[in-house]
Amino acid sequence: DQQVKQNSPSLSVQEGRISILNCDYTNSMFDYFLWYKKYPAEGPTFLISISSIKDKNEDGRFTVFLNKSAKHLSLHIVPSQPGDSAVYFCAASAGNSGTYKYIFGTGTRLKVLA
Amino acid sequence: ETGVTQTPRHLVMGMTNKKSLKCEQHLGHNAMYWYKQSAKKPLELMFVYNFKEQTENNSVPSRFSPECPNSSHLFLHLHTLQPEDSALYLCASSREGQGPNEQYFGPGTRLTVT
Repeated sequence: DQQVKQNSPSLSVQEGRISILNCDYTNSMFDYFLWYKKYPAEGPTFLISISSIKDKNEDGRFTVFLNKSAKHLSLHIVPSQPGDSAVYFCAASAGNSGTYKYIFGTGTRLKVLA
Repeated sequence: ETGVTQTPRHLVMGMTNKKSLKCEQHLGHNAMYWYKQSAKKPLELMFVYNFKEQTENNSVPSRFSPECPNSSHLFLHLHTLQPEDSALYLCASSREGQGPNEQYFGPGTRLTVT
């Protein structure tokens, strides 16, 4: 059973508009969340993170929102640019001492249309 | 050389071959990871090393054998693989011990088992 789900395999958005990528999780013990971006033939690149003590974290054009009661997080990209076209993964981890293990979603392919 | 590097980038091997994947991180991190990404599946954590000690083996078949000689290098030794082992193998590293941190990924090795 997948603990982290990205139910939209793909999304198309017009350049300049907002892109909203969604992620749902089932494990209430998850307390740290990451978003990664992946271009073809490259490894995932870290984008932004959020801790469960917050409900929003912003970095430039990227904002992550966390709704703990709904076990839902979303990544907003505004304004969207053609260079944002990539696969986006969310990942979640439960806090333990030592090394953090992340559970990844299956990804959402974002296409930003010029 | 910066970041996380992986060699080779592409590998085709027969089921009776023995090969090794190499990962090197130049970020001063103390934890390293092997992930497997199969088509339309989420990234699957295979192994975790923290300060050169293996802290996680996620029920990986013994035909995959990791080696971590120091905190900068990680190997994945492959022998008698099956066609279903064909996938993208990603290495990552992180700085652990001070709370959750993002993982930095290499570009991956695309493995095809014939």
